Amino acid sequence: AQSVTQPDIHITVSEGASLELRCNYSYGATPYLFWYVQSPGQGLQLLLKYFSGDTLVQGIKGFEAEFKRSQSSFNLRKPSVHWSDAAEYFCAVGPWTGFQKLVFGTGTRLLVSP
Amino acid sequence: GAVVSQHPSRVICKSGTSVKIECRSLDFQATTMFWYRQFPKQSLMLMATSNEGSKATYEQGVEKDKFLINHASLTLSTLTVTSAHPEDSSFYICSARDGGGAGNEQFFGPGTRLTVL
Repeated sequence: AQSVTQPDIHITVSEGASLELRCNYSYGATPYLFWYVQSPGQGLQLLLKYFSGDTLVQGIKGFEAEFKRSQSSFNLRKPSVHWSDAAEYFCAVGPWTGFQKLVFGTGTRLLVSP
Repeated sequence: GAVVSQHPSRVICKSGTSVKIECRSLDFQATTMFWYRQFPKQSLMLMATSNEGSKATYEQGVEKDKFLINHASLTLSTLTVTSAHPEDSSFYICSARDGGGAGNEQFFGPGTRLTVL
């Protein structure tokens, strides 16, 4: 079965500190992996995506993610968090092609303390 | 590029009325659009997948007669919540897949907040 697990419901990070959000997936084929961010009352904005190539992917807003096939993980990182990064973060997995749906994790809410 | 809009952004309606939500791809042709529902502090739940010119495919447990989806053109899909009830109150988000692009990336709209009184 296809699934995405984000084990942390909430994470609080001090402004300026580093961040890592965890994502583990279960997928029967080669996965196409995404990280999205959602601010309150807003839609989803794509931070980054991975299908193949370099396993360390750079995204917008200073975020990066590393694909580790052996661990079925795609963790999101940022070296220095800003107060504006406070939001909900979703990891998702899907196929490279076709009309199959994306499977989303339950999300991790990031709180940034001063 | 790859902008998806939704209209309206917020709607309040009385119980028993029908509400139509529009999802438009502004700068690309969307062969496939997806409709999601999101409850407060929860993840997105896919309701249905619509392909231009054909019937939508609904996820298990989603009432197709209640949530009518029409994808009449490559840039517009509509979701109509018929005979809305308070339990239908939710945040509805659409996404669109760029038919001319590589990969299965979906571009999301800003969402519509539906409140049924």
